[in-house]
Amino acid sequence: DVKVTQSSRYLVKRTGEKVFLECVQDMDHENMFWYRQDPGLGLRLIYFSYDVKMKEKGDIPEGYSVSREKKERFSLILESASTNQTSMYLCASSKYWASGGRDTQYFGPGTRLTVL
Amino acid sequence: EDKVVQSPLSLVVHEGDTVTLNCSYEVTNFRSLLWYKQEKKAPTFLFMLTSSGIEKKSGRLSSILDKKELSSILNITATQTGDSAIYLCAVEAGDTGNQFYFGTGTSLTVIP
Repeated sequence: DVKVTQSSRYLVKRTGEKVFLECVQDMDHENMFWYRQDPGLGLRLIYFSYDVKMKEKGDIPEGYSVSREKKERFSLILESASTNQTSMYLCASSKYWASGGRDTQYFGPGTRLTVL
Repeated sequence: EDKVVQSPLSLVVHEGDTVTLNCSYEVTNFRSLLWYKQEKKAPTFLFMLTSSGIEKKSGRLSSILDKKELSSILNITATQTGDSAIYLCAVEAGDTGNQFYFGTGTSLTVIP
């Protein structure tokens, strides 16, 4: 079974703190993604990575950065947390897409971050 | 163990056909069920269902939740080639709603 794990299920931080969210997958997937999910807005893509040390901005990258030093690990970093970053953060991974193809994304359980 | 199972795994239909996708779940403290359409990168939100028996509808897509049967269906009528995608079902659960469980999706291909 594919397994995607996230370092914390529930996290509370203060405004201005630096926050690290870690995601690890065990299926040797090339693609990894970070999303946030908010009521009424569904999943919004923050960043994704299609290979080690490669990253691309998603739809809402402002206020976030990412790091992919190893294939199995994709970190989301909030340099200076703000209250509007209170959300559910979901990590996912998938195999590399062949041209015109698509592959299922496997999701982690999510981290609910509250910024006070 | 909490889980979400979708069926069928894949489906190939002709344009104009009607399809029904299934999602069943076993979770503790169910809060909501969500349907997504995934084409390339990010899944696109379709519906969120929290109450049993209420149909959510958007154009040719509709969905119903059956909390007694712990399942949901997603219907697509008069399918078009643009409906080709992976359809994901996710369930939010837990005392504070801080756990998501995703199915592995149904891959739908609509051929002209």
